[in-house]
Amino acid sequence: GQQVMQIPQYQHVQEGEDFTTYCNSSTTLSNIQWYKQRPGGHPVFLIQLVKSGEVKKQKRLTFQFGEAKKNSFLRITATQTTDVGTYFCALGRTALIFGKGTTLSVSS
Amino acid sequence: DTGVSQDPRHKITKRGQNVTFRCDPISEHNRLYWYRQTLGQGPEFLTYFQNEAQLEKSRLLSDRFSAERPKGSFSTLEIQRTEQGDSAMYLCASSPTGGEPWYQETQYFGPGTRLLVL
Repeated sequence: GQQVMQIPQYQHVQEGEDFTTYCNSSTTLSNIQWYKQRPGGHPVFLIQLVKSGEVKKQKRLTFQFGEAKKNSFLRITATQTTDVGTYFCALGRTALIFGKGTTLSVSS
Repeated sequence: DTGVSQDPRHKITKRGQNVTFRCDPISEHNRLYWYRQTLGQGPEFLTYFQNEAQLEKSRLLSDRFSAERPKGSFSTLEIQRTEQGDSAMYLCASSPTGGEPWYQETQYFGPGTRLLVL
């Protein structure tokens, strides 16, 4: 079945630095979703990408879907302590397949 | 309505006991999903319903797992003869039908039920 690899597994940054997490698949994807899970919390939907090369922005967050629709990244610019948590990419439209996530920690 | 609710939030049980978890989706959300999440992993899909119909159940982890949504509103997930390997967070999510595709495909997760099997 479909699988997705997410890297890095962990990332520590100083507040104000940028952060990027990557999601890679060996197969062409129809779509990709991104979720954030705060420590002790539950996944919260951030965005869905469906078009080749699509770029979407939410304030300091930038999401891109690769031209071949096999990869995606999420970039956070000027990280803040409120950005801590685990960021997951997920494949599919109902039965979601989640990556293992990238856990972001931020020190002030 | 403030979101998906799950009950109980925590459950400790002894190996071999049966447990049942409840999920109340967001009002008027027709789709309801169950996932399991273990430490350091992303959620793992188990099953989902559209209204009262269970549309995908092949991913349930074993025949000890079963789910119901009898009236198309709340759902229950039962684990029979629990094993220590069943210890995990069980997450429920719901999504609406109708509207733009992206809207239908957005899943809203509940706080989860954390299960510990001793």
